[in-house]
Amino acid sequence: EAGVAQSPRYKIIEKRQSVAFWCNPISGHATLYWYQQILGQGPKLLIQFQNNGVVDDSQLPKDRFSAERLKGVDSTLKIQPAKLEDSAVYLCASSRTPETQYFGPGTRLLVL
Amino acid sequence: KNQVEQSPQSLIILEGKNCTLQCNYTVSPFSNLRWYKQDTGRGPVSLTIMTFSENTKSNGRYTATLDADTKQSSLHITASQLSDSASYICVVSLNTGGFKTIFGAGTRLFVKA
Repeated sequence: EAGVAQSPRYKIIEKRQSVAFWCNPISGHATLYWYQQILGQGPKLLIQFQNNGVVDDSQLPKDRFSAERLKGVDSTLKIQPAKLEDSAVYLCASSRTPETQYFGPGTRLLVL
Repeated sequence: KNQVEQSPQSLIILEGKNCTLQCNYTVSPFSNLRWYKQDTGRGPVSLTIMTFSENTKSNGRYTATLDADTKQSSLHITASQLSDSASYICVVSLNTGGFKTIFGAGTRLFVKA
């Protein structure tokens, strides 16, 4: 089966600009996650969707980050405006059961 | 506080040698523990998953152990290969009505020829 797809793979922007990332989960996976992984650290959960509903967004900086999964399949994560400390890899994952998540390749963001 | 700590932070070994990575956790109520391998520029890939009742699980040259009493896990890599160079992340899940996952910071393994 096809894996989790993410785009773009790389993005370079200047601070205060906006950026959006896209994720297409594995077909049939109801749960979708967005993680932020700063260099040298483990992934940090930003938001978890169950179908098109939000399950957990407690660590999402809501003043600048937003995410949606309108039709319960694809999802977009937006940062507006970006800060230097947002430089990280943004990982999308999906799962059919809570025990095992399948990760996409990530989008590497550099904010200058 | 629910935490997952891994050691060492980084490790350099020669090709063909064995190594063991450690994971200590303070997570409750424990549901399962997974080890992921993350190659540079890629997303993490699951290696093993263990529940409370399992104390060892193998996947090829990777063997994970779990001691639920001491809340420790280890990942042993046998006969290392250059392709084992990656970050290894320990992830513990807890179930408090809904699943929550706690990620360790990872151990960065470098295998030298």
